[in-house]
Amino acid sequence: NAGVTQTPKFRILKIGQSMTLQCAQDMNHNYMYWYRQDPGMGLKLIYYSVGAGITDKGEVPNGYNVSRSTTEDFPLRLELAAPSQTSVYFCASSLGSNIQYFGAGTRLSVL
Amino acid sequence: AQKITQTQPGMFVQEKEAVTLDCTYDTSDPSYGLFWYKQPSSGEMIFLIYQGSYDQQNATEGRYSLNFQKARKSANLVISASQLGDSAMYFCAMGLFNNAGNMLTFGGGTRLMVKP
Repeated sequence: NAGVTQTPKFRILKIGQSMTLQCAQDMNHNYMYWYRQDPGMGLKLIYYSVGAGITDKGEVPNGYNVSRSTTEDFPLRLELAAPSQTSVYFCASSLGSNIQYFGAGTRLSVL
Repeated sequence: AQKITQTQPGMFVQEKEAVTLDCTYDTSDPSYGLFWYKQPSSGEMIFLIYQGSYDQQNATEGRYSLNFQKARKSANLVISASQLGDSAMYFCAMGLFNNAGNMLTFGGGTRLMVKP
């Protein structure tokens, strides 16, 4: 009964490095989302996907890329990491326009 | 554009008492959903309760109820019989159903602290 699984849980990057945050769900949800949460703030949507092969930008997409080759996986790619990308990243999934279930989050620091 | 406002940055409540967390929203779309999530200190986001804009009755889930006042655009969360484990951040969020993604817009959150 895994739900939404995010890896890694923690990561420290140097400025200019790249990395991929992994997200997988086993609930056969068609919609998946990436949010970021800055300290003391609510979540902001980065990208979302309504199905394999379909992605679209959210509120804060700059500096990120996504792909959705399968229903289960929705990785988030950070290119040329910057200190402004220090945040907690949450992946979520839902069955259509329904309740979104979240992963445990990835805490990223860019130094 | 959609907006969610939570005006209470922090609140205290005595254990076993009820508490209301405020949430107001702004949208011109007639079809939307309102969600409340709990974020304990461990960091995960836990779904609590959902209210659709066309639902006639207020939603309830165990000790959680949603006081939905559509004309006032408010969707307050009521927690009855507070427990120490209720100490956490609480986020109100809104999703629109007129697009393909049901993107959620979150408020800034309210930190609830339950006193023994």
